[in-house]
Amino acid sequence: NAGVTQTPKFQVLKTGQSMTLQCAQDMNHEYMSWYRQDPGMGLRLIHYSVGAGITDQGEVPNGYNVSRSTTEDFPLRLLSAAPSQTSVYFCASSYGIAGGQETQYFGPGTRLLVL
Amino acid sequence: GQQLNQSPQSMFIQEGEDVSMNCTSSSIFNTWLWYKQDPGEGPVLLIALYKAGELTSNGRLTAQFGITRKDSFLNISASIPSDVGIYFCAGQLYYGNKLVFGAGTILRVKS
Repeated sequence: NAGVTQTPKFQVLKTGQSMTLQCAQDMNHEYMSWYRQDPGMGLRLIHYSVGAGITDQGEVPNGYNVSRSTTEDFPLRLLSAAPSQTSVYFCASSYGIAGGQETQYFGPGTRLLVL
Repeated sequence: GQQLNQSPQSMFIQEGEDVSMNCTSSSIFNTWLWYKQDPGEGPVLLIALYKAGELTSNGRLTAQFGITRKDSFLNISASIPSDVGIYFCAGQLYYGNKLVFGAGTILRVKS
């Protein structure tokens, strides 16, 4: 198994540009989520999905869109990038709702710089 | 929203020393998790705690779920260079609720 994969690893954007961060998992996990990591802030939940066709907002959803058309993929879209979205983005997946009895597996991250 | 206070923010210790870090919350959690993040990688789960007062070990790591349900502790014994990284605590109020993460403790080890 490849686990959770994310592309790209690094990206530089100009303010106003759009892009999609890709996330895929091959573990047949139902639960997937996107976090952003900023210095001194820990990990903050952006959006999450409990299964194909179902998504919901997390703690910091503004400026981001998600969709879940398949179990494997959970892309994160920035429609109009802003400098405040400079961060490291992590995708995670788990078989069930993470935390209860389910280990959440994280991808390697995408480092995004918005100029 | 809920917040976790994790301390210390960073530690620079000598190889072989023991390490202690903790997380506190103003509200209770029913699950506490501890993750480690290696440089350039995503977090990896180290220990999960599901019961107040629970003490769980994973090799040189020991974590405890506080009796008040508002805190948790992680201890690393006899640190080695590969312990370097960022350690995060996370809390969950109930099954199905979202995880709340602490800001992390940066650990550096001098060999």
